[in-house]
Amino acid sequence: GQQVMQIPQYQHVQEGEDFTTYCNSSTTLSNIQWYKQRPGGHPVFLIQLVKSGEVKKQKRLTFQFGEAKKNSSLHITATQTTDVGTYFCAGRSGNKLVFGAGTILRVKS
Amino acid sequence: EAGVTQFPSHSVIEKGQTVTLRCDPISGHDNLYWYRRVMGKEIKFLLHFVKESKQDESGMPNNRFLAERTGGTYSTLKVQPAELEDSGVYFCASSRTSGTGSPLHFGNGTRLTVT
Repeated sequence: GQQVMQIPQYQHVQEGEDFTTYCNSSTTLSNIQWYKQRPGGHPVFLIQLVKSGEVKKQKRLTFQFGEAKKNSSLHITATQTTDVGTYFCAGRSGNKLVFGAGTILRVKS
Repeated sequence: EAGVTQFPSHSVIEKGQTVTLRCDPISGHDNLYWYRRVMGKEIKFLLHFVKESKQDESGMPNNRFLAERTGGTYSTLKVQPAELEDSGVYFCASSRTSGTGSPLHFGNGTRLTVT
């Protein structure tokens, strides 16, 4: 079945450093969504990418969808302590949304 | 609008016992999903309701799991009898449509521990 791999599993950065998480699918996706789960919370929708090669920005967050629509990345510029949490990508193929295992981000102040 | 609510937030049961989890989706959301996350692993799809009908239950692990959504409102997920490997966080999510553009709204999850 469809699999979505996310790396790294865990990253600990100094406040102000950049952070990137990568997502790779075993199959071509119709779209990809990103979610953030704060410690003790639940996943919250951040953004969706649909088009091949699409790039979207939300303040310090930059999301990319690969040309082949099989991979995606989330880049955070100048991390802040409020960025801590687990970032999940979720790829849609058909009606099913398949999640990756998430990347845990910790930020040292 | 009120978010997705799940009950209980935590449940600790012994192997062989029964547990029923409940999810109240956002009002007006026809689509309801159950997911499970075992620590450190992916958020794994269990099943998808459209109103009261099971659209996709391909992720249900086995026949010890029974999900219902009578009347197309709230849903329950029963595990009977529970096994150790059923431990994890069970998330419910809802969406207005099941189309490709529809984000999921998650509840806070039920943390199930089977001892």
